[in-house]
Amino acid sequence: AQKITQTQPGMFVQEKEAVTLDCTYDTSDQSYGLFWYKQPSSGEMIFLIYQGSYDEQNATEGRYSLNFQKARKSANLVISASQLGDSAMYFCAMREDTGTASKLTFGTGTRLQVTL
Amino acid sequence: GAGVSQSPSNKVTEKGKDVELRCDPISGHTALYWYRQRLGQGLEFLIYFQGNSAPDKSGLPSDRFSAERTGESVSTLTIQRTQQEDSAVYLCASSFGYFYAGDTQYFGPGTRLTVL
Repeated sequence: AQKITQTQPGMFVQEKEAVTLDCTYDTSDQSYGLFWYKQPSSGEMIFLIYQGSYDEQNATEGRYSLNFQKARKSANLVISASQLGDSAMYFCAMREDTGTASKLTFGTGTRLQVTL
Repeated sequence: GAGVSQSPSNKVTEKGKDVELRCDPISGHTALYWYRQRLGQGLEFLIYFQGNSAPDKSGLPSDRFSAERTGESVSTLTIQRTQQEDSAVYLCASSFGYFYAGDTQYFGPGTRLTVL
């Protein structure tokens, strides 16, 4: 079973509009972390935002916010006031807290295209 | 401070040859991870190192793949007898290695490997 599911292979948004990128996850752990990364065409993976499973408030970092709905096991990324430079692949990832440093499990990504 | 660096940025090799990919983590980061990203896909975990502990090799796809790390610094990923299916971008990441889910991984620019 997929641990991280991103159902939107591609999304379009107009400049200055907000956009939501979906992510659902599957884990039986109580303690886990959810991450979003941006990958521009240059290929680097840029960390955007983190949400811990015990965090009561949704994470925010500038124009990025994470809509965390624990009961639904969803962690959607919201980008407000989209800019042309936001055009990129976006990956949702999860780290399960096994008590040791461990891998990230990634979704298949969503390609966001910001248009004028 | 410097981020994660990887070399070479691009590597073209012939089928059957061995290749070595290098990663320099962020100074002070004790954990180091290797991932593989095939064209148009998400990231697959390969291996991680945490301090002096035995590495987690659970993601290595075959015994042609191996990796070493010298202390808490440079790591080398070696692929022996390369095959065309090894063509991918190989991404390295590092983190502080804290034993909790929010330990953020920071990625290098990747090495694009092409096997002819």
